[in-house]
Amino acid sequence: DIVMTQSPDSLAVSLGGRATINCKSSQSVLYNSNNKNYLAWYQQKPGQPPKLLIYWASTRESGVPDRFSGSGSGTDFTLTISSLQAEDVAVYYCQQYYSTPYSFGQGTKLEIK
Amino acid sequence: QLQLQESGPGLVEPSETLSLTCSVSGDSISSSRYYWGWVRQPPGRGLEWIGTIFYSGNTYYNPSLKSRVTISVDASKNQFSLNLNSVTAADTAFYYCARVRELATLYDAFDIWGQGTLVTVSS
Repeated sequence: DIVMTQSPDSLAVSLGGRATINCKSSQSVLYNSNNKNYLAWYQQKPGQPPKLLIYWASTRESGVPDRFSGSGSGTDFTLTISSLQAEDVAVYYCQQYYSTPYSFGQGTKLEIK
Repeated sequence: QLQLQESGPGLVEPSETLSLTCSVSGDSISSSRYYWGWVRQPPGRGLEWIGTIFYSGNTYYNPSLKSRVTISVDASKNQFSLNLNSVTAADTAFYYCARVRELATLYDAFDIWGQGTLVTVSS
């Protein structure tokens, strides 16, 4: 099974500042035949289900603001929020869908400093 | 617009079976050829994939739960269901149903989620 580990567990950033969340997989989630990384990022606000932000490690879901970006390949990935807004306060999860069982990181709680 | 809605008992006694249904509106399970899944989240904790089913009935389960889980689809009602037997307090969680993003693809992200339902296991 692939284990996903996020860092940090929590993060406080000033409004307008940059937030960076890291995700590491225990084995590569890059499928060589199509050169795609099977990695997604979700945002979860209190009392709400997770919302898909990024898939294929760097493709923004429709409607997601462009201040959200994903990068990385293989085993190391990053979610970046370029200019933090108040509505970005949430818990963020990475997920690998390279193989079953799908697995999620433990989550990173993002707050305003 | 596709919407998913979980339903079922909010309280289940230990050793009994947890049964939930996900009703799909805005699309047809049988004609759309998507994969559909269940994910759970203990209060205040992280996300755990339970399993995924194709409209044809093919299923994929998390090995950690496989001996206790059954996911099925009822195309006539445009629903899919989760049964988890022999529950304990550790199964107390929010249960979400969700759709896999890409048509006829198991290996993809979940793009549409239900609002979730809290199931408490307690006597």
